[in-house]
Amino acid sequence: NAGVTQTPKFQVLKTGQSMTLQCAQDMNHNSMYWYRQDPGMGLRLIYYSASEGTTDKGEVPNGYNVSRLNKREFSLRLESAAPSQTSVYFCASSEMRGYGYTFGSGTRLTVV
Amino acid sequence: KQEVTQIPAALSVPEGENLVLNCSFTDSAIYNLQWFRQDPGKGLTSLLLIQSSQREQTSGRLNASLDKSSGRSTLYIAASQPGDSATYLCAVGANSKLTFGKGITLSVRP
Repeated sequence: NAGVTQTPKFQVLKTGQSMTLQCAQDMNHNSMYWYRQDPGMGLRLIYYSASEGTTDKGEVPNGYNVSRLNKREFSLRLESAAPSQTSVYFCASSEMRGYGYTFGSGTRLTVV
Repeated sequence: KQEVTQIPAALSVPEGENLVLNCSFTDSAIYNLQWFRQDPGKGLTSLLLIQSSQREQTSGRLNASLDKSSGRSTLYIAASQPGDSATYLCAVGANSKLTFGKGITLSVRP
């Protein structure tokens, strides 16, 4: 099915460990995004890539890095995980500015 | 900085009721507004997308309106059903980004 695919769906990390969340879309969209969702805080933008080859910080970028590997793939890396990064992470894509967003099913990350 | 507000945070209605969910935003310089549905533990499903030049969009029992000048949008759900129980999120698109409200958790009682 066409859409946004995120892996893994669940992950438990120990404080200080690193990991990469993967995201791929098959809709030929130009823009991709990483959000985190926390109770009482809603969805907050971490990083986005308006087009292949560009990345920009969102509202809460500290502790994260991203890579726009190609037009399809946009990964999010936690270099040294902290308990404050326990959250649900969503990847999204859109054709370009002004178009609707399509979201992946999320990665539930727990840092202990 | 764009801020999106959805009040109330939770709503409980009896089955069959017509209801309106409200969304307000502070900066009217937007490209579009999108309503999403989120079921517990799941991802976001897009319901309706309204471009800044449009006033409303309809899909089945759902109708969303946009008043950009006043910074308001409403999602109208006709003849609510228990299957409509979910969290409804409003998000505004501007500056290559989508800013979300915190959502309204709707419970439709049989």
